[in-house]
Amino acid sequence: EPEVTQTPSHQVTQMGQEVILRCVPISNHLYFYWYRQILGQKVEFLVSFYNNEISEKSEIFDDQFSVERPDGSNFTLKIRSTKLEDSAMYFCASRTGGNYGYTFGSGTRLTVV
Amino acid sequence: DQQVKQNSPSLSVQEGRISILNCDYTNSMFDYFLWYKKYPAEGPTFLISISSIKDKNEDGRFTVFLNKSAKHLSLHIVPSQPGDSAVYFCAASDGNYQLIWGAGTKLIIKP
Repeated sequence: EPEVTQTPSHQVTQMGQEVILRCVPISNHLYFYWYRQILGQKVEFLVSFYNNEISEKSEIFDDQFSVERPDGSNFTLKIRSTKLEDSAMYFCASRTGGNYGYTFGSGTRLTVV
Repeated sequence: DQQVKQNSPSLSVQEGRISILNCDYTNSMFDYFLWYKKYPAEGPTFLISISSIKDKNEDGRFTVFLNKSAKHLSLHIVPSQPGDSAVYFCAASDGNYQLIWGAGTKLIIKP
């Protein structure tokens, strides 16, 4: 079964540093998503991406965040200048159009120190 | 290898009746299972969980049943209400913080 792959599984970074979280969605999927879950809190929607552009984003997704699909396979989330409160589990997901068959990655745990 | 499977992409239930959402898993190392509910453009919202040492956990209208020998769990919602219409995800953990998610089942509650 195809799967969504996220790398790295755990990243530790210093406050103020840029970090890039990587995701390889399923190849024939058209919609891509980033979510995050701060420890002990709910899973929050960050952004959705379709047809090479952002289709929706939440208030959390401010100017410090950006997404890219640079080469048709990877889907990246960049945080320009990390803050302590960016420490969370970040989930990537993808799906085909027309159904609800989401496939989630297993997450990247980001720790900002 | 899809370790968590939700084989029904959608389910339609009459308001007031019971909704039963199913989930199967393959990894016997999973020791914690969670159900999430998701509306469009929002993150999944935690509903209920169950540890592998239990076979049932109940919270209001929501009950989760775990059958370890069959590697199967189910979420029962009774009575079903219109606001329950959403996508439901089953997720599992083997003790790490990472979650393995199912593909989701879209629940439609008909008035």
